[in-house]
Amino acid sequence: DTAVSQTPKYLVTQMGNDKSIKCEQNLGHDTMYWYKQDSKKFLKIMFSYNNKELIINETVPNRFSPKSPDKAHLNLHINSLELGDSAVYFCASRFQGLEQYFGPGTRLTVT
Amino acid sequence: GESVGLHLPTLSVQEGDNSIINCAYSNSASDYFIWYKQESGKGPQFIIDIRSNMDKRQGQRVTVLLNKTVKHLSLQIAATQPGDSAVYFCAENSQGAQKLVFGQGTRLTINP
Repeated sequence: DTAVSQTPKYLVTQMGNDKSIKCEQNLGHDTMYWYKQDSKKFLKIMFSYNNKELIINETVPNRFSPKSPDKAHLNLHINSLELGDSAVYFCASRFQGLEQYFGPGTRLTVT
Repeated sequence: GESVGLHLPTLSVQEGDNSIINCAYSNSASDYFIWYKQESGKGPQFIIDIRSNMDKRQGQRVTVLLNKTVKHLSLQIAATQPGDSAVYFCAENSQGAQKLVFGQGTRLTINP
């Protein structure tokens, strides 16, 4: 199936730990994104990469570091996790059009 | 600053009725608008989009209306079905920007 996929789907960890979320798209898209969705369902963009180049970096703590090994993958590494990092993280991608295609999300719970 | 918001956070309709979900935006430079549907436990799914040079666009059972004068966007769903239950988001893009700005979302509930 052509899609945007994320792993893991659920992630439970303790404060202070470091964790990574992975995203892959097989749609042939050039641009990929990370979004954070809080408990009130508000979706906020965090980062965007185009052909492995960072093009959008919103006001996000530098504990969050995206990495794009190739244009089909965009991973998100989070250092020193805090309670406030608990949220659902979505990866998305797009080609030349403006519509973005979203992955299924990763629910991160920090205890 | 730019913002996209919704008038109603929740909407309940009877099965078979038409649903109208509204969205207001404040950035007059916005030239592209999109609606997403998010079902429980899933990622947002593209429904329909519209560019600012249009005021209406129709899809299958859905219609998007754009009123640039009052910076208002609406999504109409005809003959609402139980499978339409979800949170609906509008989002906008400004010319030259490469990001979508999302509204807060409206939860649509279908009553049998």
